[in-house]
Amino acid sequence: AQSVSQHNHHVILSEAASLELGCNYSYGGTVNLFWYVQYPGQHLQLLLKYFSGDPLVKGIKGFEAEFIKSKFSFNLRKPSVQWSDTAEYFCAVTGGTGTASKLTFGTGTRLQVTL
Amino acid sequence: EPEVTQTPSHQVTQMGQEVILRCVPISNHLYFYWYRQILGQKVEFLVSFYNNEISEKSEIFDDQFSVERPDGSNFTLKIRSTKLEDSAMYFCATNKGLGNYNEQFFGPGTRLTVL
Repeated sequence: AQSVSQHNHHVILSEAASLELGCNYSYGGTVNLFWYVQYPGQHLQLLLKYFSGDPLVKGIKGFEAEFIKSKFSFNLRKPSVQWSDTAEYFCAVTGGTGTASKLTFGTGTRLQVTL
Repeated sequence: EPEVTQTPSHQVTQMGQEVILRCVPISNHLYFYWYRQILGQKVEFLVSFYNNEISEKSEIFDDQFSVERPDGSNFTLKIRSTKLEDSAMYFCATNKGLGNYNEQFFGPGTRLTVL
């Protein structure tokens, strides 16, 4: 069974600081990897996804993530965070190449950006 | 931009009562899902639905749960006899279902409180 671990539960950063949120997954086959963001009071939105090809993927709002197969990791990064990045961030995985496979989520990381 | 909508936004019910949570998928999407998030815990997959039948369900999705698409538009989740532990945020998601992978689009969620 697939699983996802997010090691940071709550991160507090000052504006302009760099961000890296850890995500490790467990699955024996081909995976698709995702980062979703949930801003306060809003629904889950896709930040970026990795399906195949270049392991460094760029998403919306300046976020990027790197798929490192040997480490089973898909860490999220942003060089300079803004106050508006305050949100909960979820790493998720689907196994296999099925079009409509279920998402398995990590526990989430709450990011708080201070001015 | 098309969105997944869910009603109600908040449902309060007594233990043992039946509840129906409603979702209106994006119009040309073919795959539908329900997820839930108990407060402070991860988002968990409940069930996926395609071509008017369940594609996959989790261990959580027991006989107390059912899904249907009664009128070709609404996608509903019914809990027959609610328990205290059913209190959670319930998210509907939909997927266009074409190609190797498509993004799951999430609704804003229904907060279910069982008293």
